[in-house]
Amino acid sequence: DAGVTQSPTHLIKTRGQQVTLRCSPKSGHDTVSWYQQALGQGPQFIFQYYEEEERQRGNFPDRFSGHQFPNYSSELNVNALLLGDSALYLCASSSLGQGTYEQYFGPGTRLTVT
Amino acid sequence: AQKVTQAQTEISVVEKEDVTLDCVYETRDTTYYLFWYKQPPSGELVFLIRRNSFDEQNEISGRYSWNFQKSTSSFNFTITASQVVDSAVYFCALSEDQGQGAQKLVFGQGTRLTINP
Repeated sequence: DAGVTQSPTHLIKTRGQQVTLRCSPKSGHDTVSWYQQALGQGPQFIFQYYEEEERQRGNFPDRFSGHQFPNYSSELNVNALLLGDSALYLCASSSLGQGTYEQYFGPGTRLTVT
Repeated sequence: AQKVTQAQTEISVVEKEDVTLDCVYETRDTTYYLFWYKQPPSGELVFLIRRNSFDEQNEISGRYSWNFQKSTSSFNFTITASQVVDSAVYFCALSEDQGQGAQKLVFGQGTRLTINP
């Protein structure tokens, strides 16, 4: 039973560039949530996708956008990167359709903006 | 507004000692869910437990136990006979019922637990 997978593992970008992070949910899950975790902090909710729609959004600017595909996988896009976007980006999956409230996290993508 | 406070930033104990990690939460909802996650150095958050607001029974799983008290808005986590492998950052999290299911997690700042041999 495959868990949540994320790619890439690490990424280095320059200020002003754009980045795309990818996530495949745990088998049987239909909902993907994205979190940003700055060093030494708890994860902060970015947004959640279910049925290919953004269902909830945290306090993040429009530079952060996402997408969910018919196979439930998801992408997180960040435009016009700032130094402050450097963080661990975590993807979590769950199943809204089955009322599963536990979110299972992937290993994360470490983004460094220089 | 939802808020989770983990007042203990770092805890260091010697192996085999018992240790309790504190978690205090704030919410205006009557239906909510509480979680504990473990984050080892590898970075992946590992799910430990979920507790519903209407279920105040304490839970024990091996060396782990959780004490949920609505009267004090606390959901504390105790590790009995700690082991070096328990060293990690532990996060408490809260999720309110959003109608279509409790999904957005609000995390505390985390407690870094170090178990020394």
